Amino acid sequence: GAGVSQSPSNKVTEKGKDVELRCDPISGHTALYWYRQSLGQGLEFLIYFQGNSAPDKSGLPSDRFSAERTGGSVSTLTIQRTQQEDSAVYLCASSPTGGQPQHFGDGTRLSIL
Amino acid sequence: GDSVTQMEGPVTLSEEAFLTINCTYTATGYPSLFWYVQYPGEGLQLLLKATKADDKGSNKGFEATYRKETTSFHLEKGSVQVSDSAVYFCALPVASGNTPLVFGKGTRLSVIA
Repeated sequence: GAGVSQSPSNKVTEKGKDVELRCDPISGHTALYWYRQSLGQGLEFLIYFQGNSAPDKSGLPSDRFSAERTGGSVSTLTIQRTQQEDSAVYLCASSPTGGQPQHFGDGTRLSIL
Repeated sequence: GDSVTQMEGPVTLSEEAFLTINCTYTATGYPSLFWYVQYPGEGLQLLLKATKADDKGSNKGFEATYRKETTSFHLEKGSVQVSDSAVYFCALPVASGNTPLVFGKGTRLSVIA
């Protein structure tokens, strides 16, 4: 398909484990964003990548969270030593050069036991 | 910083009723404004947008007008359907170009037959 693809769609893991979430943006989109959606906090920005520039990490909640984007395309969000408060839906979005709008994937629902 | 205030839900309406979801914003300058919709189990979809003052965005019978004087972007639909049941988010970018979005807390709409 031509949309933003995220995997896995659901992830259940034990507290303390590391997880990796994947995002495949729309082909040609230079900007890629990660957001977190949780019941108490709504939609929060985590990190974004724009072309070859250094990513804006200002939304990452702790140093357990990191992300990379390889070859200007696929991105991986990694959460180390997961905690129960990390349980949320993680949404990825991409947008073309020049700005908005952002196109979202269906998200990864992460549950920490 | 830039922010969005959105009426809290949930909102429950009968089919064919008139819908208004209020959204006001605080921003430097005149950013583009967006309404996104999230159907159960899915990611966010762009519903409509407006890029400058007095613009009216419209899609699927929904409308919203960019009101600079009242810093508002209220979402309206004249006759809702059961299929409109979803969560609606008002949003604006934190700056021009490829930047993250700031979202309202979302309004859950349930339409009953």
